[in-house]
Amino acid sequence: SQTIHQWPATLVQPVGSPLSLECTVEGTSNPNLYWYRQAAGRGLQLLFYSVGIGQISSEVPQNLSASRPQDRQFILSSKKLLLSDSGFYLCAWSWGNYEQYFGPGTRLTVT
Amino acid sequence: KQEVTQIPAALSVPEGENLVLNCSFTDSAIYNLQWFRQDPGKGLTSLLLIQSSQREQTSGRLNASLDKSSGRSTLYIAASQPGDSATYLCAPDTGNQFYFGTGTSLTVIP
Repeated sequence: SQTIHQWPATLVQPVGSPLSLECTVEGTSNPNLYWYRQAAGRGLQLLFYSVGIGQISSEVPQNLSASRPQDRQFILSSKKLLLSDSGFYLCAWSWGNYEQYFGPGTRLTVT
Repeated sequence: KQEVTQIPAALSVPEGENLVLNCSFTDSAIYNLQWFRQDPGKGLTSLLLIQSSQREQTSGRLNASLDKSSGRSTLYIAASQPGDSATYLCAPDTGNQFYFGTGTSLTVIP
């Protein structure tokens, strides 16, 4: 069966510090991978999606970036965090045009 | 860009009631539509997926319908239970991209 992991579960970082969130998927090959952000009281915002290694599409221009160094690994990064980057970050995967499955999320607080 | 609206934003019902959650979207060129539930502080759990060629999908007490041409989907929950309390989200898929509304927050009162 397929499993999706995210870490860390929670993170508190000062403004201006770097960020690296990791997501890995087990039990499937060549998945589509997604990063979403959910700010307090708001809906899910699609940040990045990837259909293959090294292929990243960005939905929203911002100080975040994503990379997919391996087939089942998706990384969200920032060189300098802003207060507005606080939120709940969710990674998800799908295969073709089928169901999307979400990880447990990372709660990021920028202070 | 796909815009998704969910009505109502919040709903409180007594246990045992049947209820309907509504989802509308602006771009009808979708491959499928997925319904999720989200418990506070947790990730999303998939409930149902309706392919664009389907009109309905059922899972236990849940039934989702899709009217692709009018850009609407409904989620019907029968005989609601306190454990159904959560936020429900719909997400149409326009091809490798899922767009979400802000959800309906459901509270089922024992």
